[in-house]
Amino acid sequence: KNQVEQSPQSLIILEGKNCTLQCNYTVSPFSNLRWYKQDTGRGPVSLTIMTFSENTKSNGRYTATLDADTKQSSLHITASQLSDSASYICVVHEGGGFKTIFGAGTRLFVKA
Amino acid sequence: DTAVSQTPKYLVTQMGNDKSIKCEQNLGHDTMYWYKQDSKKFLKIMFSYNNKELIINETVPNRFSPKSPDKAHLNLHINSLELGDSAVYFCASSQREGSGRDTGELFFGEGSRLTVL
Repeated sequence: KNQVEQSPQSLIILEGKNCTLQCNYTVSPFSNLRWYKQDTGRGPVSLTIMTFSENTKSNGRYTATLDADTKQSSLHITASQLSDSASYICVVHEGGGFKTIFGAGTRLFVKA
Repeated sequence: DTAVSQTPKYLVTQMGNDKSIKCEQNLGHDTMYWYKQDSKKFLKIMFSYNNKELIINETVPNRFSPKSPDKAHLNLHINSLELGDSAVYFCASSQREGSGRDTGELFFGEGSRLTVL
C-alpha cells in the first residue's frame, strides 16, 4: 500500500535554531516528492520539489534532501523564524497517474 | 489576483441541511480537486476532475456531489449534512506539462471551514 509517514508529529524549537523534519514513503512508482508549508488558516503552499535524480535542493532557509534508494526525504530549516511556525506536509506524486499521497504533516512551533 | 478562490470561507449549518462550496481557479489549469482536512490536519482527497471529467472519486458518501461546469470551476454540493462532515474543505488545481507529465504541484485555495451543528 502506498504510504507517506512523517516524523516527528510535532516539534517545538527556539527562534534561531535549526531543525530537520523526516518523511519516509513506500509509493511506487515514484514521480516526485514535494514539501508543502501550511500556515494556520491557509492552504498549503509548495516549498520544494524533488525528482528521482535529485539529492538536495534549497529554497532560502529550507533545504530538502531525497534518498530514492531508502525512500526517505528530509526538510531542514536553518535559523528558524517565528514565521516558520506551520504544518509541513510531505507529498509524494505517483508516477504515471494523478494520485498524490499525503503525509500527516509535522506541526512546527517556533518560540521566541 | 487570487489563483484559487473558494467561497464561502466559513459555513455554519444544521444537521440535515444541504450546502454548496464553490471554487474557481484562474491559473488555466486542467485538473481540479477537492480535499477534506479533518481535525487532525490530515488532507484526504475526495474528488479530482480533469477538463470537466471526473478522474478520481475516493470513497466518499454519495451525499457529496462535485460539479464542474467548466475547467476553471469545481463546486461541491453536500446533501443531508452530518456532524462528521465538519472539517475544512480545500479546493486545489494542478497542470500537466506539455509532454503530458504531471509535475504534481498543487495550488490550494484558502479553505472553507464547515461546521455542522
